[in-house]
Amino acid sequence: GESVGLHLPTLSVQEGDNSIINCAYSNSASDYFIWYKQESGKGPQFIIDIRSNMDKRQGQRVTVLLNKTVKHLSLQIAATQPGDSAVYFCAEKQYNFNKFYFGSGTKLNVKP
Amino acid sequence: NAGVMQNPRHLVRRRGQEARLRCSPMKGHSHVYWYRQLPEEGLKFMVYLQKENIIDESGMPKERFSAEFPKEGPSILRIQQVVRGDSAAYFCASSPPSNGNTIYFGEGSWLTVV
Repeated sequence: GESVGLHLPTLSVQEGDNSIINCAYSNSASDYFIWYKQESGKGPQFIIDIRSNMDKRQGQRVTVLLNKTVKHLSLQIAATQPGDSAVYFCAEKQYNFNKFYFGSGTKLNVKP
Repeated sequence: NAGVMQNPRHLVRRRGQEARLRCSPMKGHSHVYWYRQLPEEGLKFMVYLQKENIIDESGMPKERFSAEFPKEGPSILRIQQVVRGDSAAYFCASSPPSNGNTIYFGEGSWLTVV
């Protein structure tokens, strides 16, 4: 089956710095990607999505970059805040299918 | 507009007992997904259901696990004869019929088997 994995299991950043969380995927047929944030004891929350016909999408303080050539996805968080501390997952799927595949997650620690 | 509601939030079962986890999708959502999350791991797809139909159960273990989404009432994930390895967080998500590309998660049900 598909495989979605992350390069860094834990990332520590200073408050106010920018954070970059990376994700690799293996299914070249995947054409839709989402980043989720999961705080301890809670369910995943949607952050931002991107379709494969784009290589960049920006939200509020977050940017997702997609490199289809190397099957790589990244989430950039600007001016990281303590409230950003959580585990971040990337998820991928084929657009007309309803099954998402999740990576194992990166834990982001924001130091005050 | 309430989100995806799951109950119980925490459930403790002894080995061999049955666990029933319930999920009420968001209003207007007719698609339900169940995912399992082991500690320090990502979410693993289990099953995708629409009302009265199982669409994709490729992630469900072959034995002891079953899921349903009846015409009325919540979706149920049932685990029979639980074992310690079933201890995990079980997340339900839902999406509207018009768009399965963004799914919204509930807060999860944490099952502990002792």
